[in-house]
Formats: sequence, C-alpha cells, structure tokens
Amino acid sequence: ETGVTQTPRHLVMGMTNKKSLKCEQHLGHNAMYWYKQSAKKPLELMFVYNFKEQTENNSVPSRFSPECPNSSHLFLHLHTLQPEDSALYLCASSQDQGTRGYTFGSGTRLTVV
Amino acid sequence: DAKTTQPNSMESNEEEPVHLPCNHSTISGTDYIHWYRQLPSQGPEYVIHGLTSNVNNRMASLAIAEDRKSSTLILHRATLRDAAVYYCILRGSYEKLTFGTGTRLTIIP
Repeated sequence: ETGVTQTPRHLVMGMTNKKSLKCEQHLGHNAMYWYKQSAKKPLELMFVYNFKEQTENNSVPSRFSPECPNSSHLFLHLHTLQPEDSALYLCASSQDQGTRGYTFGSGTRLTVV
Repeated sequence: DAKTTQPNSMESNEEEPVHLPCNHSTISGTDYIHWYRQLPSQGPEYVIHGLTSNVNNRMASLAIAEDRKSSTLILHRATLRDAAVYYCILRGSYEKLTFGTGTRLTIIP
C-alpha cells in the first residue's frame, strides 16, 4: 500500500457508458496527477492539479473529464470512450510540484469494448 | 526537455550487485536526476534522486558522474523482487515528471 488508493482496480466499459475512476491520498500532499500508460508506450501525463486547481491539461480529449473536489481526492470521469483508450490509468500525488518524489497508486486497468 | 538514454533491458543474477546506467549528456545545471521503478501490475515507485553528489538510501545508491552527463543506479544485492522497469528521469524544480521507456531488469535465480 503506497498511500495512494485507486478504485476500481479493473474496469470494462462499453463505448456508450459513463464511468468514473477514483483516486484518494491521505499523505497530506497538495498536488495530484493523472497518467495514462498504454501497452508498450511510456507513461503520459494527462492532468495536473495543485491545491485543487487544474494547472495542466496535456491536450487530453474532452471525453476525459477530471475533477478535484479537495486535495485528497481526484476523479477521472469517462464518457463515450474509444477502444484505443484502453490502458492503465495511474494517479499520483506529491507534496508540492518541486523536486520531491511522486507517490503512485496501483492504477485502474481500463478496457473499452 | 532534457533526454535520458537507458538500455532497453538488462539481466542480473540474484544476490549480486546491479549497475543500471543512464546517459544524459544535455542535462542542465538545475536538473535533478530521479530514478523510479515499476514492478509488474503496479504503479511506478520512487527509488532515489540526486543533483551532484552520490546518494544512498535503503533501496539503492546513485552514483553521478563528475560532469553530470551520466549516472548509475546501484542495487547492492539484487533479489527477485527487484525485477522491474527502471526509469531514469531528469527533472528541474517545479517541472513535471516525464517518463521514457526505461530499462527492464530481469533477475536470474
């Protein structure tokens, strides 16, 4: 257990479904991140939140909608996804956006059918 | 972004030291050298980081070349649980963590 908890661990959804991924940390960190890891590709940063405010969106399609209600929780709302969106979605947190390390969750394995 | 170059894969025998190299010839003076690893079916895990001096912690040691154009992550006594993908990442202050393809380390029993 890393201190960053992601649920669910596995998710299968149809292209017309709406689902949400949840990330929770109780490490007292102020920055939270969503990454996507597709098969045989490096991790790609999707979104960055600092003190609940979104500070970065790496040209992510609008079918991915993040939400950060407080510094401990981060959601990724999914709707009308495509099969190529199937991937491991990883959440991370850090004390701040300085030089300290990130703590990652174990990820949600998403399959879009 | 400054780039790093790592071998795609390495093998090592169990209970022997492992030296994982990383080249970063375009490193800037303010870039920290970070190492993470990703075990199967898990998210990446922070291992160690440094700026100029060699660093040691309970997981590993980081040896940084004097010109900072290369570094080596040292696992002093590899176990089967050290089998993972190891990422060497350059990161300036307040920059995001950007991953490359890393080195897949296989430990031979």
